[in-house]
Amino acid sequence: SAVISQKPSRDICQRGTSLTIQCQVDSQVTMMFWYRQQPGQSLTLIATANQGSEATYESGFVIDKFPISRPNLTFSTLTVSNMSPEDSSIYLCSVEAGAHEQYFGPGTRLTVT
Amino acid sequence: DAKTTQPPSMDCAEGRAANLPCNHSTISGNEYVYWYRQIHSQGPQYIIHGLKNNETNEMASLIITEDRKSSTLILPHATLRDTAVYYCIVRSSYGQNFVFGPGTRLSVLP
Repeated sequence: SAVISQKPSRDICQRGTSLTIQCQVDSQVTMMFWYRQQPGQSLTLIATANQGSEATYESGFVIDKFPISRPNLTFSTLTVSNMSPEDSSIYLCSVEAGAHEQYFGPGTRLTVT
Repeated sequence: DAKTTQPPSMDCAEGRAANLPCNHSTISGNEYVYWYRQIHSQGPQYIIHGLKNNETNEMASLIITEDRKSSTLILPHATLRDTAVYYCIVRSSYGQNFVFGPGTRLSVLP
């Protein structure tokens, strides 16, 4: 298994500002994923972040809006840039650990006013 | 799009078995069936997965039909803490992301 922590757990931000979310894992993992969960909705993948390479973004998500860093095998950050109220969501990171399981962090609840 | 269909909601009496169905009629031979759940305001939690055979662990049992077009997650003795959204997902290979559908909202009633 893998234990994942995220910082901050929640934040309230002004529109037009940026927020960087940190994801820390207690073991080395190759693949990390960032998801968004809008209010009342299911999870949507934003991007896949592998250490040593550029993140791969899903359709509808762009690097300028959601830049990702992956400096080592236990850490990643997701920045939500130039925020608008539509960015209010829960942001979750997950890691691939073991043969089949993905483990998810507790999420960062973002409210943009 | 998610490759599975699930009922949007279900109720279950506390102490009884909760049987959550999932249809995955287009599943490929190399795709596994995974179940996750999300308790309110928490990240999704892995429950169980299987390929062809039925599987059981400390949390639940997974029954996969012989043609693999559907499966059922069984929580043998549901408790109030099992109230959550349950997601059935199919995935073929290690490292591929999970595609989450709307899931089934299970309410365990006292």
